[in-house]
Amino acid sequence: GQQVMQIPQYQHVQEGEDFTTYCNSSTTLSNIQWYKQRPGGHPVFLIQLVKSGEVKKQKRLTFQFGEAKKNSSLHITATQTTDVGTYFCAGPWGEYGNKLVFGAGTILRVKS
Amino acid sequence: KAGVTQTPRYLIKTRGQQVTLSCSPISGHRSVSWYQQTPGQGLQFLFEYFSETQRNKGNFPGRFSGRQFSNSRSEMNVSTLELGDSALYLCASSVAGGYTDTQYFGPGTRLTVL
Repeated sequence: GQQVMQIPQYQHVQEGEDFTTYCNSSTTLSNIQWYKQRPGGHPVFLIQLVKSGEVKKQKRLTFQFGEAKKNSSLHITATQTTDVGTYFCAGPWGEYGNKLVFGAGTILRVKS
Repeated sequence: KAGVTQTPRYLIKTRGQQVTLSCSPISGHRSVSWYQQTPGQGLQFLFEYFSETQRNKGNFPGRFSGRQFSNSRSEMNVSTLELGDSALYLCASSVAGGYTDTQYFGPGTRLTVL
């Protein structure tokens, strides 16, 4: 079946350090979506990448979609305490693309 | 626009009971998906409804069911609750549930089965 692998599982960084999480799909994706879930919260949509090799930036966050459209990464520059949470990647599957298959998520903790 | 709302936010049930959770999507959204989130299994797709029709179903037993009403509101039902059903149940809505549609999640219903 569809699988989306995400590493690392946890990352503790000092405030100001960079952070990266990686996502790898077992099959080619039509697009990849990234979500953030704060502790006690629900997943909040961050971005969607559609094109092969696409790179998008949101302030300190940089998202990349691999050339083969099977892997993706999220990089945060100079982490802040507000970045704390779990970051998930997800790929759409199913006849209509309405089934999101999520990676296990990377838990980010930031020490101030 | 108001976001996705879910009721109730918290539920405590005992094994063998049944439960119904409700989800109101963002106005104008016709697709509603349900996900189960647990520490062990992560976020797993339960099913998706569009225009009152279930279009896709995840790998969950038949005890998990759902429906969608003509106003796009959705309910999911879990019968004969088991301890392992304790989880955060999340509902997400999108315009049409297509490949590039963004899914917006509600705050979830935290179900505890004792």
